Amino acid sequence: QVQLVQSGAEVKKPGASMKVSCKASGYIFTGYYIHWVRQAPGQGLEWMGWINPNSGNTNFAQGFQGRVTMTRDTSITTAYMELSSLRSDDTAVYYCARDASNWNYAGVFDYWGQGSLLTVSS
Amino acid sequence: SYELTQPPSVSVSPGQTARITCSGDTLSKQYFHWYQQKPGQAPVLLIYRDKERPSGIPERFSGSSSGTTVTLTISGVQAEDEADYYCQSADSGGSSVIFGGGTKLTVL
Repeated sequence: QVQLVQSGAEVKKPGASMKVSCKASGYIFTGYYIHWVRQAPGQGLEWMGWINPNSGNTNFAQGFQGRVTMTRDTSITTAYMELSSLRSDDTAVYYCARDASNWNYAGVFDYWGQGSLLTVSS
Repeated sequence: SYELTQPPSVSVSPGQTARITCSGDTLSKQYFHWYQQKPGQAPVLLIYRDKERPSGIPERFSGSSSGTTVTLTISGVQAEDEADYYCQSADSGGSSVIFGGGTKLTVL
């Protein structure tokens, strides 16, 4: 069965960087885009961007450009999202999610990781 | 910028029908999708491409669209349906994904 298992909670200080991992299993990792979505406490969902695990190509939401990096390691079927210059308003649960389209982009998410809580606090 | 507007809350009694709307501010040919999120859990895809239901999603969940508004309908609401519901759309070019603000469904 398809699973996305994310790394654990982290606490970071303002200005630091954080990196979340998303281990995929149960499907062909390179065949499906991985998206990252975050959710601040008590707030809605915010899309951050995607990575194509096959090519490594990425695309980021405008509000995160320059601060976010998305990479992957196909040998261990894992995607990563790194966010730098952290601020208190980056405190959120970060989710990875699989795009539903095989070998293409559909912009709909059929499987989600369990989420990784990031707390940014001095 | 493109926005999707949802009512903040909807309340319904068990067994009744709940309708949650999602309105875009421009005419759009993109598809819309719906997710259910229960407290402390990741979202779950409920409806994709306006009206398609993934396998395993109960038939009481359905989607429809009209003009710039899409609607999630939950027929015969059950207590377990109490959750937050989000609509979502994406441009076909892959450069932008947007979520509605979410609707909290309360089952009275």
